[in-house]
Amino acid sequence: DIVMTQSPLSLAVSPGEPASISCRSSQGLLHSNGDTWLDWYVQKPGQPPQVLIYLGSNRASGVPDRFSGSESGTDFTLKISRVEADDVGVYYCMQGLQTPYTFGQGTKLEI
Amino acid sequence: EVQLVESGGGQVQPGGSLRLSCAASGSTFRRYWMHWVRQVPGKGLVWVSRMNLDGSVTDYADSVKGRFTISRDNAKNTLYLQMNSLRAEDTALYFCIRDLSGKDDYWGQGTLVTVSS
Repeated sequence: DIVMTQSPLSLAVSPGEPASISCRSSQGLLHSNGDTWLDWYVQKPGQPPQVLIYLGSNRASGVPDRFSGSESGTDFTLKISRVEADDVGVYYCMQGLQTPYTFGQGTKLEI
Repeated sequence: EVQLVESGGGQVQPGGSLRLSCAASGSTFRRYWMHWVRQVPGKGLVWVSRMNLDGSVTDYADSVKGRFTISRDNAKNTLYLQMNSLRAEDTALYFCIRDLSGKDDYWGQGTLVTVSS
């Protein structure tokens, strides 16, 4: 199974400040079709997870451009350029390259 | 607007069975792979199973293989998860997801399964 390792596991950021969450996969997530099968989700309190970034760097519909995803080999980063109060929640990375799909441990973002 | 509504959760004794359902709104259900993911309250996310568009391909996490069966009825826009030989460690909130890891990724609200005597 592909192991996904996130850091940090918790993060406290002031409104307007940037935030960065890292995720490392135990093997490459590049598909033969050129897509990188790494996604970022946020789970806000009391809600199901919702996708922020899919295929490494594509923002999902309705996601503000404050959120961006990048990759370097097996290292992936979610960046929030300016944190807002509504960004509170737990952020997960997930690999969808092969089954079983696997998630990182989650990073709790507090404001 | 997309809606995925899970049902069928509840409390069951170890060794018992439950069938979860996920009703999808709209006419696009048959165009997507469908998945189940579970989450112990307060803990992380664990992928459980997936099924392709016509039901000919299924995959399972090792922890549920041989005990859980995923299925779908495209005429009824409904996804199912038959869970047999339930164990305490299957206790979790079960989410139904459309197009996991795709651009049309969408999660239902979940249904809670509690396995306890």
